Amino acid sequence: QKEVEQNSGPLSVPEGAIASLNCTYSDRGSQSFFWYRQYSGKSPELIMFIYSNGDKEDGRFTAQLNKASQYVSLLIRDSQPSDSATYLCAVIPVNRDDKIIFGKGTRLHILP
Amino acid sequence: DTGVSQDPRHKITKRGQNVTFRCDPISEHNRLYWYRQTLGQGPEFLTYFQNEAQLEKSRLLSDRFSAERPKGSFSTLEIQRTEQGDSAMYLCASSSSTSWGTGELFFGEGSRLTVL
Repeated sequence: QKEVEQNSGPLSVPEGAIASLNCTYSDRGSQSFFWYRQYSGKSPELIMFIYSNGDKEDGRFTAQLNKASQYVSLLIRDSQPSDSATYLCAVIPVNRDDKIIFGKGTRLHILP
Repeated sequence: DTGVSQDPRHKITKRGQNVTFRCDPISEHNRLYWYRQTLGQGPEFLTYFQNEAQLEKSRLLSDRFSAERPKGSFSTLEIQRTEQGDSAMYLCASSSSTSWGTGELFFGEGSRLTVL
């Protein structure tokens, strides 16, 4: 079982709608969770991190964490064409000292 | 702050040749990571350093791969006897102790390797 699993997509969402991206992880002891965005031909960049169960909001982005279900999600409200990218879920497994493991990413297309 | 720089940006080599990539992290960053990324996949962890100490090397990495960070500044990743399966983008990233736990890695633009 891979440590971080994501649906590769593509996920197509109309402009202005909510995009919902999901991720599951295998290490129950993981404490730190991240969402990176990667534009085509570019390197990843961090957009959100979350440590506690529940929701964390930053502008149009909301990260959600459910440790009991080992599930992390990212919601993007009022989706814009500029949000079209690959979204990478990442975790630090327990006792792994800041070693960050990435999922394979979900491609998101925002339809104008 | 010039960011993380990687060299070369592109490398084409023949199977069996050795290649070396260099990464210069952001100057005050003491953590340095190497990842490999192929099309349609997320970055795959290879190894990472804290200062000059190599903390972990992926079990998936064969003995043909070696990385160093001799003075705790720049790092090199060498691949010996390259194989076509080594073709990928090799990403370097760095982070500082103040950002530990936030998961914020600053990535370079990558070194793309093509093995013919």
